[in-house]
Amino acid sequence: QLQLQASGPGLVNPSGTLSLTCTVAGVSITNSNQYWGWIRQPPGKGLEWIGSFYYGGSTWYNPSLKSRVTISVDTSENQFSLKLNSVTATDTAVYYCASQPSTTIVKFHFDFWGQGALVTVSS
Amino acid sequence: QSVLIQPPSASGTPGQRVTISCSGSSSNIEAYSVSWYQQLPRTAPKLLIYGNNQRPSGVPDRFSGSKSGTSASLAISGLQSEDEADYYCAAWDGSLIGVFGGGTKLTVL
Repeated sequence: QLQLQASGPGLVNPSGTLSLTCTVAGVSITNSNQYWGWIRQPPGKGLEWIGSFYYGGSTWYNPSLKSRVTISVDTSENQFSLKLNSVTATDTAVYYCASQPSTTIVKFHFDFWGQGALVTVSS
Repeated sequence: QSVLIQPPSASGTPGQRVTISCSGSSSNIEAYSVSWYQQLPRTAPKLLIYGNNQRPSGVPDRFSGSKSGTSASLAISGLQSEDEADYYCAAWDGSLIGVFGGGTKLTVL
């Protein structure tokens, strides 16, 4: 059974960088034929796609966040990470990592989700 | 304002059939497959429907999805109290972005 777990600091200063890691268990990020993604949800609001990547292939970012976002991979730890810089209070949200069981980004659905990590942007 | 438009709320009584709509455009719903998610309070979303009408293993057949043109729908038959949750639709958009609906809060009366 595929499992994902997001972790990272729960509090980030305004103008700082939000950094989260997603640890994957049950399948290797490098051997799986699927995309991996980040989605966020501000308190009391809906879901927003941040970006997705396919190991050895493409990385796609939400255009509204693209200038501030980087998704990277650590194959030795079977993890992928999210960095969002120049954060403001509007970036306060629960951040989810999830798997997309497809080799093409247009089949846009997420079958396994991490439990979510709440990140608050505040001084 | 979300790219995919859902009614903010829906309701039904136990045993009833309810539908939740998701309205999009030719660049998202009409062109690509739709998925649906159920989110119980304080939990991560759960995939209910993918590929417009496919159910993952373990999802009861009370849940069904359909698509026609630029709109999609999620139907829940035999409504149960545990179905009370938020529901989201999602699809890829030709402007190279993954989009979610704003969510529908389902209340079981």
